[in-house]
Amino acid sequence: KQEVTQIPAALSVPEGENLVLNCSFTDSAIYNLQWFRQDPGKGLTSLLLIQSSQREQTSGRLNASLDKSSGRSTLYIAASQPGDSATYLCAVDFNKFYFGSGTKLNVKP
Amino acid sequence: DVKVTQSSRYLVKRTGEKVFLECVQDMDHENMFWYRQDPGLGLRLIYFSYDVKMKEKGDIPEGYSVSREKKERFSLILESASTNQTSMYLCASSLGTGVLVEQYFGPGTRLTVT
Repeated sequence: KQEVTQIPAALSVPEGENLVLNCSFTDSAIYNLQWFRQDPGKGLTSLLLIQSSQREQTSGRLNASLDKSSGRSTLYIAASQPGDSATYLCAVDFNKFYFGSGTKLNVKP
Repeated sequence: DVKVTQSSRYLVKRTGEKVFLECVQDMDHENMFWYRQDPGLGLRLIYFSYDVKMKEKGDIPEGYSVSREKKERFSLILESASTNQTSMYLCASSLGTGVLVEQYFGPGTRLTVT
């Protein structure tokens, strides 16, 4: 069974900090990797999708990288804001999506 | 704009009832998925469908069935609801197989079985 791990489980930072969220997976034979944001009690909002042939993707203050050989992806958030507070999930496509348990981010004003 | 809708945001049902959760997407996507999300367990795939009338079991199909009679609609059925099916249910869709299969999620249905 494929496994996707996210570290840390929770993170609290002051506003303005740059931060990195980590996602690791057990098999390098992936199709895609997708990062999501989930607000409490809500569905998932797609942030970035990285294809297996890509090394990184950027959207605004977000940058996601992918290193298949080491089984890792990182989500970099620049100049964090209180509105970034949410749970961040990574999902790895092994022909089915497997999700990590998420990193709960709190950005303090 | 991409849209996945779920029939209810909150549902309360009694043990033994038959429960229908509906999901509709307006993007002409081939693939549709049902997940449940529980604290400490993350999202787990219940069933998915890659075409009308086609279905595949996910990781935790026991106690559930699905129906896909039209491309845009994917229903999750709890044949006889039990308290351990209390959970957040999330529906998703994606365009199909190939290089880019970004998933789009609905808002979720919080189901409580008493």
